[in-house]
Amino acid sequence: AQSVTQLDSQVPVFEEAPVELRCNYSSSVSVYLFWYVQYPNQGLQLLLKYLSGSTLVKGINGFEAEFNKSQTSFHLRKPSVHISDTAEYFCAVSESDYKLSFGAGTTVTVRA
Amino acid sequence: GAVVSQHPSWVICKSGTSVKIECRSLDFQATTMFWYRQFPKQSLMLMATSNEGSKATYEQGVEKDKFLINHASLTLSTLTVTSAHPEDSSFYICSRDGGGFNQETQYFGPGTRLLVL
Repeated sequence: AQSVTQLDSQVPVFEEAPVELRCNYSSSVSVYLFWYVQYPNQGLQLLLKYLSGSTLVKGINGFEAEFNKSQTSFHLRKPSVHISDTAEYFCAVSESDYKLSFGAGTTVTVRA
Repeated sequence: GAVVSQHPSWVICKSGTSVKIECRSLDFQATTMFWYRQFPKQSLMLMATSNEGSKATYEQGVEKDKFLINHASLTLSTLTVTSAHPEDSSFYICSRDGGGFNQETQYFGPGTRLLVL
């Protein structure tokens, strides 16, 4: 079974500064990797996903992530954040059964 | 726009009553839908996989007689919390897969907040 570790529970960042959210996973087989964002009292919105191919994937709202198989990581980055990026971010992994396992989440707070 | 809706968005009920939550796929006939619960400040935990026309598959530790799932049509799955108790208070979120060549991606509803008094 797969598992996901998000290394940072909270990330405070100033507006227009870069941000990186770390995600590591464990699995014995090939996986699909996802980043979702959750705004308060809302469901999850897909930011980006890695299925295969290029290890650098670009998503919505200027986010990108890089899959590193040797380090079993899938870190999320944004070069310049906005106040509106304040939210909870979840890294998730699935295997061939498509069941998602989520990390504990990272709360990003963007300050002016 | 939204591809999955949930109703109601929030519900308050008395202990011992049953509550039904609906999850609708708005743009796609979904043979598979998923139900999650999320406690405050915590991650999502998969409760069960809802399969159209057959029994749901429950994750380990989830009481199937407590959380009844019905996937009677390709656009609707329902979760009924039977004899609800305060410990069942949570945020319940459903999702559907992308179907076809996008089956590995899940699209989530806005969630239903349940408060049991």
